Amino acid sequence: GAGVSQSPSNKVTEKGKDVELRCDPISGHTALYWYRQSLGQGLEFLIYFQGNSAPDKSGLPSDRFSAERTGGSVSTLTIQRTQQEDSAVYLCASSSSTANNEQFFGPGTRLTVL
Amino acid sequence: GENVEQHPSTLSVQEGDSAVIKCTYSDSASNYFPWYKQELGKRPQLIIDIRSNVGEKKDQRIAVTLNKTAKHFSLHITETQPEDSAVYFCAARGTGNQFYFGTGTSLTVIP
Repeated sequence: GAGVSQSPSNKVTEKGKDVELRCDPISGHTALYWYRQSLGQGLEFLIYFQGNSAPDKSGLPSDRFSAERTGGSVSTLTIQRTQQEDSAVYLCASSSSTANNEQFFGPGTRLTVL
Repeated sequence: GENVEQHPSTLSVQEGDSAVIKCTYSDSASNYFPWYKQELGKRPQLIIDIRSNVGEKKDQRIAVTLNKTAKHFSLHITETQPEDSAVYFCAARGTGNQFYFGTGTSLTVIP
């Protein structure tokens, strides 16, 4: 079946603008994660959704970052008033609620803030 | 929260030699430890994982060992091939089902 998809694949924006990044998880996966990967760095946890539970937002770096997940499926990560340090690849991953817990990653959105 | 450290950050080996990447974690309640391979410009993909009730797991040329007492786990790749060249990430799943990743190891296999 289809894997995790993300859009756009690339986004160039000007400092101060708002951006929205979209993630379509694998159908039926109840868990959804957002990560940030800066150049040459590891994956930084941002936020985690599990079913209808309140999301774990403990990784969001500032109040400019927010995310929502509508209907337990598609998720949108919003960055307000973007800064140059927000430039990174934003990865989304989903997993099922079974004990396997393997995360399947999307291709990522490369965000460049000028 | 959980803290995962990964070493080395870069590793070069001759084709056919073995490669070992080590990670430590801080939360003794962590119970699932996956390893991901990320080729240049591509998404991370799971290559092997281990649960806290097992000490070792092997899949062909790849093996992972876990020492719960010392809170460290390692990835072993034997008979390395050029296509093994990539960045490898370890991760630990915390009590809240979050995943904490190491900073990655860039492996280069020299033909």
